Amino acid sequence: NAGVTQTPKFQVLKTGQSMTLQCAQDMNHNSMYWYRQDPGMGLRLIYYSASEGTTDKGEVPNGYNVSRLNKREFSLRLESAAPSQTSVYFCASRPPGTGDYEQYFGPGTRLTVT
Amino acid sequence: AQSVTQPDIHITVSEGASLELRCNYSYGATPYLFWYVQSPGQGLQLLLKYFSGDTLVQGIKGFEAEFKRSQSSFNLRKPSVHWSDAAEYFCAVGARFKGNTGKLIFGQGTTLQVKP
Repeated sequence: NAGVTQTPKFQVLKTGQSMTLQCAQDMNHNSMYWYRQDPGMGLRLIYYSASEGTTDKGEVPNGYNVSRLNKREFSLRLESAAPSQTSVYFCASRPPGTGDYEQYFGPGTRLTVT
Repeated sequence: AQSVTQPDIHITVSEGASLELRCNYSYGATPYLFWYVQSPGQGLQLLLKYFSGDTLVQGIKGFEAEFKRSQSSFNLRKPSVHWSDAAEYFCAVGARFKGNTGKLIFGQGTTLQVKP
C-alpha cells in the first residue's frame, strides 16, 4: 500500500513551458486535492475533486488545470509556467464516509520556474 | 470566514526541554482540528486530530494537544523535545466546502529548531 504518490519529486521549468504533475492514490479514496505550499503561507488549495469525473476550483486556481483521470489519479497541469508558480505542490486524498476531514498527503513536488 | 493562525513563525528549544506550539482558529461550528508535521523534504504526516470528546488528545511521537473552545485554541505540546522533532508544524481546521466536500484550512506553519 503506497498511499499517495507524486511524480516528479523535483522539476525546473523555464517561463512559458508547460508540465503536468502526477498524483495517484491506492486507498480507494473518493476525494483528491492539490495544494501549493509557499513560505509563511501554509498550504493553499488549488483544485479538488470530490469524486471521479468531477473537479472544482479551490482558493488559488489561476494558471492551473486539473484532470481526474480515474478514481486513482488526479493530475495538475501548468500550461504556461510563471515564476510565481515556483512552489512545493502537494497532492492529498480523503477517505469516503468520514466526517472528520482528515487527508493523506503525498511527498510533494518541488517546482522551480526560472 | 474560517481561518487558522499560528502566531509563532519560528521557535527554538533545547533538546529535552518542553514545547508548546500555539494555534488559534476561527470557525463558527464545532471545529475539526488537526496538527500535521513536515520533516525537511518530506510530505505532511498527521500528528493528531480532534473532533469531539476529551479535549486533551494524544498523538504520535509523544505529542498531545488541548482544545479550548473558550480561547479558540488548539495548542500542541510535548514534555521533552528530541532532536528528531525539528520540523515544520501545521495546524489546520476542517471545513465544509461547496456542498459536501471537505477541505483543510492551514495555518502559516511554525518551524521548530532543536538545539543540542
